[in-house]
Order: sequence, then structure tokens, then C-alpha cells
Amino acid sequence: AQSVSQHNHHVILSEAASLELGCNYSYGGTVNLFWYVQYPGQHLQLLLKYFSGDPLVKGIKGFEAEFIKSKFSFNLRKPSVQWSDTAEYFCAVNPQTGANNLFFGTGTRLTVIP
Amino acid sequence: DGGITQSPKYLFRKEGQNVTLSCEQNLNHDAMYWYRQDPGQGLRLIYYSQIVNDFQKGDIAEGYSVSREKKESFPLTVTSAQKNPTAFYLCASSMPGGDEKLFFGSGTQLSVL
Repeated sequence: AQSVSQHNHHVILSEAASLELGCNYSYGGTVNLFWYVQYPGQHLQLLLKYFSGDPLVKGIKGFEAEFIKSKFSFNLRKPSVQWSDTAEYFCAVNPQTGANNLFFGTGTRLTVIP
Repeated sequence: DGGITQSPKYLFRKEGQNVTLSCEQNLNHDAMYWYRQDPGQGLRLIYYSQIVNDFQKGDIAEGYSVSREKKESFPLTVTSAQKNPTAFYLCASSMPGGDEKLFFGSGTQLSVL
């Protein structure tokens, strides 16, 4: 079945550590890719997105993600995390099939220890 | 302020009862969506609507129904046929043809008594 996989369910890091969250998808063809973040007690919000062009995209708060088409991956990275990055992170894929549907991964909870 | 309003924040359902979750947006978005969030399963699409008076089933539509009589409103009914309704329900909207960015409401936690 087509899916979006986030293999890390819970990641715990100390402040200033580097972060990489994995996201793999199994849809063929052209896709649009997203990372959403949900801070404690807040709405889901868009962190960054990839539609085309440069496969390295930069988002808010120092986050970036790299689209590697051959690996069907869209990993999220940040060189140095802060305590305020503690949140749940969701990868999402929109296969370009005509319907504007987003398929979400299971989410990765990030805990940053001060 | 522009945004998406979901109500109620918490809802309890008795066995065999239908309940309706409200979702209203004032963003003038054409498309609206309902997602269900379960622990360990992420977000799954229940129903979506690209335009008024039209809606489509998502991945887990069984036991749910929706209507889209107005652009601003996309209520979700959890029927008695949904045997495992306890979950966190998120409504979202977007403008198709734009940057496809989803705007989410604050969610409704539904629990079974």
C-alpha cells in the first residue's frame, strides 16, 4: 500500500545537538512534500514544503529538508536544536493525482532537553 | 482574525448516538478537510470537499458523514456505525491551485462514554 513512513517515533536531544528526522514515501510520480509541526497546545502549522526546483528547501526557524527522489525521502534537518523546538513533527505527501489530498506520516515527537 | 474554528473542544458520545463536530472557516478557502489523529497512527483523511455541495471520501470514511452547504462550513457527523470513534479530529482548509498550504483548526477530542 502507498504510505508515508516516519521511522523515528520519539527523539530526545540536548540543546545544540543536530537533528535529522526521516521521512520516506511510496508514491510514484510527481509529489509535493511537506513538513508540519505541532507545538504543545497549538495548531498544526506548516514548517516547509517542496514542489519543484532546488531539492534543498529552507523553512521557518532554521529548519531545512532535502528531497532525494531516488530514495523517495524528504528528511528534515536542523543544525542546532533549541528547547523551543520541542514538538511533534509530521511529514506529508501530496501525490499529484488530480485530487488535492495530503497523506500524513505517523509523526515524530521531538523532546529537547535544556 | 482569519482562521478555522472547531467546536466543541471536547465531546462525549454515548453508545448508539450520532454526534456532529463543527468546523467553520473565514479564510474564503474552497477546500476543506477532516482528519482523524490517533496515537501512533498520525493523521488520516476522513472526508474532503473541494467546492460547495461536493465532497469525497478519504481513506477512512466509513461511519462518518459530512455536508458542505456553505463555503464556510464543513460539519462532520460521527454516526453510530463508527465503532471506534475515540480520537482527536482535525479540520483543515486550503485554496486549491494556490500553494496547497493547509490551515488547521484546534481540533475536537471525541470520547465514548
